[in-house]
Amino acid sequence: AQSVAQPEDQVNVAEGNPLTVKCTYSVSGNPYLFWYVQYPNRGLQFLLKYITGDNLVKGSYGFEAEFNKSQTSFHLKKPSALVSDSALYFCAVRDPVTGGGNKLTFGTGTQLKVEL
Amino acid sequence: NAGVTQTPKFQVLKTGQSMTLQCAQDMNHEYMSWYRQDPGMGLRLIHYSVGAGITDQGEVPNGYNVSRSTTEDFPLRLLSAAPSQTSVYFCASYRVWGAPEAFFGQGTRLTVV
Repeated sequence: AQSVAQPEDQVNVAEGNPLTVKCTYSVSGNPYLFWYVQYPNRGLQFLLKYITGDNLVKGSYGFEAEFNKSQTSFHLKKPSALVSDSALYFCAVRDPVTGGGNKLTFGTGTQLKVEL
Repeated sequence: NAGVTQTPKFQVLKTGQSMTLQCAQDMNHEYMSWYRQDPGMGLRLIHYSVGAGITDQGEVPNGYNVSRSTTEDFPLRLLSAAPSQTSVYFCASYRVWGAPEAFFGQGTRLTVV
């Protein structure tokens, strides 16, 4: 069965500093990987995805993520954090071919807090 | 383009009552699903559908029913509400092939007392 792990419940970073939110995954085939962000009392918003090709993908609001197949990781990064980036971030995986039924599986989420 | 529309946004039920959460999408997506979000547990899949007339159970299906009579609609039914079903519910849809990112509704905050 496919799964996603987000090892940090919360990440604190100072505004202007780089941030990393960690994600590792487990699937039997080649994964589709996603990051979503959730602001308080809102739905989930798509940030970026990895399907195939370049391991470094760029997304909305200056975020990027690096796909590492050997480490089965897909960490979210941003070079310079903003207070407005404070939100709940979810990593998700989908196995489009080998089992999983195209289901989208989420991690437990990481609360990002950016402080002045 | 409305995307994914969920209703209602808030609901309070008494234990044992039934209700239906509505979900509609106008993007002609094959795949629709329901998740519940609980603190510290992320989003857990309740039921999903890969097309009209086809549904299947997810991770936490007990106490919930679904049907998919059209491509656009995927209602979630609580047959006899229990306090353990207090949660925030999200509907999502996406294409099986092509642009694969999921689109989410705004959520339904359900409280069962």
